[in-house]
Amino acid sequence: GAVVSQHPSWVICKSGTSVKIECRSLDFQATTMFWYRQFPKQSLMLMATSNEGSKATYEQGVEKDKFLINHASLTLSTLTVTSAHPEDSSFYICSARWPGGYNEQFFGPGTRLTVL
Amino acid sequence: GQNIDQPTEMTATEGAIVQINCTYQTSGFNGLFWYQQHAGEAPTFLSYNVLDGLEEKGRFSSFLSRSKGYSYLLLKELQMKDSASYLCAALDSNYQLIWGAGTKLIIKP
Repeated sequence: GAVVSQHPSWVICKSGTSVKIECRSLDFQATTMFWYRQFPKQSLMLMATSNEGSKATYEQGVEKDKFLINHASLTLSTLTVTSAHPEDSSFYICSARWPGGYNEQFFGPGTRLTVL
Repeated sequence: GQNIDQPTEMTATEGAIVQINCTYQTSGFNGLFWYQQHAGEAPTFLSYNVLDGLEEKGRFSSFLSRSKGYSYLLLKELQMKDSASYLCAALDSNYQLIWGAGTKLIIKP
């Protein structure tokens, strides 16, 4: 159990375009999902906490109008990078909080975004 | 402020034992996690400790001392596939995970 999928696995886009990344919890319902960004050889950086049915909570320094998060159901959260620029190129990882237990997070496989 | 400290990099030999330390300072504490992350992949859950003591799970064990704000991950009978980054993360009073920068473990034959 506790499988989280992410789609797409990698995407290459032109500067100025928007990219949507989906995160799904396949075998459990996740009230809370998280979006992280990770640059090469650096640790995870939490971007935002996504709660089903309400607005996402963004970390300081993360532009909410640029990184749109929608958590419309208990199994799906989406991250849209709007007007992407080369500096947005990164590894984006979502996680879903296990409902109960230890509040552990299970991670999706990540999406590698390259903006040309 | 909230802070997690762990060594940047460690090297060990195949078949040996290695201990990765982690110290934390958080606003409240609801447990400590260890995750493994291979290069280019997402982290995978290894262990969770909320009470003092040692939790053993196969070749991997995790220890916690709440009074000292200290944890370690112990890896026994090291295998080449254990080469990865090991992330320590503490759950604060808001149930938010505070992440360490990770320890890159290099296993040599």
